[in-house]
Amino acid sequence: NAGVTQTPKFRVLKTGQSMTLLCAQDMNHEYMYWYRQDPGMGLRLIHYSVGEGTTAKGEVPDGYNVSRLKKQNFLLGLESAAPSQTSVYFCASRQSGGFTGELFFGEGSRLTVL
Amino acid sequence: QKEVEQDPGPLSVPEGAIVSLNCTYSNSAFQYFMWYRQYSRKGPELLMYTYSSGNKEDGRFTAQVDKSSKYISLFIRDSQPSDSATYLCAMSDSSGSARQLTFGSGTQLTVLP
Repeated sequence: NAGVTQTPKFRVLKTGQSMTLLCAQDMNHEYMYWYRQDPGMGLRLIHYSVGEGTTAKGEVPDGYNVSRLKKQNFLLGLESAAPSQTSVYFCASRQSGGFTGELFFGEGSRLTVL
Repeated sequence: QKEVEQDPGPLSVPEGAIVSLNCTYSNSAFQYFMWYRQYSRKGPELLMYTYSSGNKEDGRFTAQVDKSSKYISLFIRDSQPSDSATYLCAMSDSSGSARQLTFGSGTQLTVLP
């Protein structure tokens, strides 16, 4: 039981390049989230999904797109990377209903944009 | 002003010390209060949660909520080097919104052997 798996774990991009981060969870969770973590800023929600085929904007969605074609996968895309998108990206998931506070996180993907 | 404020530290204490980690918040609608622990280069994991005001104890950890002051605390007794991590507070209201939690920026704790 792997939980939440993110790939890749590290990536270096040049400004203007595109890339996709993949998140996979094997817990049959309905809800999935993408956060970014920056020093002094905490975790900020980029986009989230409440089920297969659905996506919604979070706190800092600009410059990112997402897709949830399968329940277990949540993709985060950067169409034209900018240095301001240098960050550590975390995917998380949780069950729908009940207590809303327990998120299960992946180990993070460290992205550097030069 | 951020909705949730957390002293970033870093905080360094000797093994066996009592540690107090704190967050203040401005949104009176928050009802659920969580503490996440994040080891270096790992994702956060839920440590404890409380609903509304009061205390909750789990082994060496005690979570305390004072809604009248909009202040929450996490106490660690007999701290151990394995407690060295970043501790993030998180909060949500009772709406069950999928937008989820508001996180503090985290306090980095080092427990020295």
